[in-house]
Amino acid sequence: DIQMTQSPSSLSASVGDRVTITCRASQNITTYLNWYQQKPGKVPKLLIYAASSLQSGVPSRFSGSGSGTDFSLTISSLQPEDFATYYCQQSYSISTFGGGTKVEI
Amino acid sequence: EVQLLESGGGLVQPGGSLRLSCAASGFTFKTFAMNWVRQAPGKGLEWVSAISGSGGNTYYADSVKGRFTISRDNSKNTLYLQMNSLRAEDTAIYYCAKDVKAIRAYYFDYWGQGTLVTVSS
Repeated sequence: DIQMTQSPSSLSASVGDRVTITCRASQNITTYLNWYQQKPGKVPKLLIYAASSLQSGVPSRFSGSGSGTDFSLTISSLQPEDFATYYCQQSYSISTFGGGTKVEI
Repeated sequence: EVQLLESGGGLVQPGGSLRLSCAASGFTFKTFAMNWVRQAPGKGLEWVSAISGSGGNTYYADSVKGRFTISRDNSKNTLYLQMNSLRAEDTAIYYCAKDVKAIRAYYFDYWGQGTLVTVSS
């Protein structure tokens, strides 16, 4: 099974900060990597698919990069509505989620 | 508008069974794979199972293999998850999620609101 490791597990940031979250796969998953945002009490929302493609309707301050085993999600200028938990998901071999990164004020 | 509405959750004793349903609307149901994803209280997301659009291919996480069965009725636009031999660690909110492809789990563009399953004596 492919394991997904996110880091950090949590971070504190301020409005306007540039934030980067990383996700590492236990084996090569090419670009079969997706990112979701989940706010407390809400349903997960797809942000990025295929490592770097922005889902329709998602603000351009979100971007994804990487291939192989190392990936990152970057928020270029953190907004108040971005405080949430972010999950990576591999879909190279069935599916596995990372453990999540909580972005706090 | 895509809508996914789960039902069937509740309190069940360890070793018991439960069947979850997910009623879909707003898209051509048989064209897309469907998934179940769960989230234990205060924990992260865990992919549970997927089924292809035709229903001919099914996939399971190791944690539920042999105990859970995913199925779909394309005539009723409904996804199911039959859960047997339930354990305390199966306690979670169960979400159904629409895939963007027909064949297998790829990425999930729409999610239901979830149904809570509690396994406790």
